[in-house]
Amino acid sequence: SQTIHQWPATLVQPVGSPLSLECTVEGTSNPNLYWYRQAAGRGLQLLFYSVGIGQISSEVPQNLSASRPQDRQFILSSKKLLLSDSGFYLCAWRSREISSPLHFGNGTRLTVT
Amino acid sequence: GDSVTQMEGPVTLSEEAFLTINCTYTATGYPSLFWYVQYPGEGLQLLLKATKADDKGSNKGFEATYRKETTSFHLEKGSVQVSDSAVYFCALKDYGGATNKLIFGTGTLLAVQP
Repeated sequence: SQTIHQWPATLVQPVGSPLSLECTVEGTSNPNLYWYRQAAGRGLQLLFYSVGIGQISSEVPQNLSASRPQDRQFILSSKKLLLSDSGFYLCAWRSREISSPLHFGNGTRLTVT
Repeated sequence: GDSVTQMEGPVTLSEEAFLTINCTYTATGYPSLFWYVQYPGEGLQLLLKATKADDKGSNKGFEATYRKETTSFHLEKGSVQVSDSAVYFCALKDYGGATNKLIFGTGTLLAVQP
């Protein structure tokens, strides 16, 4: 069966520090991968998605970047965190079949202080 | 563009009460519709889905019917339990329109009291 791992679960970082959140998927190949952010009291905002190794699409201009160095690995990064980067970050994957659902990781709670 | 509108929460109910969470959508193509649930401290899980008009998705006692005439996909449950307390997200994926991504509503917090 397919599983998705996301870590760390919680993270407290000072303003200006770098960020690296990692997400890996097991049990499937060539998935579409996604990073979402859920700010307090808001819905989910799609940040990045990837349809293949090295292929990243950015949905909103921001202080973050994403990379996909391997087929089932998706990394969210920042060189210098801002206070506004605080939030709940969710990685997700889905297969390429039409109407296939998204499968989410358990999320990372990021607090920038 | 495509969008999803959900009723604002929180929705507070007593155990065994009837639940309705409204969801309406705007799409240019032929969307599939989803309800996801997020339990406290966790990621989202697919609750149910419907891929075409008049389809009814159901799971764990929850139901939602794809109504094209009213562009709605309201979530219902006949008798809620405390364990149903969570945030519920309505979402659409429009395969025929300009976008090919899952678009979420803002979520509705459900709190069920014993």
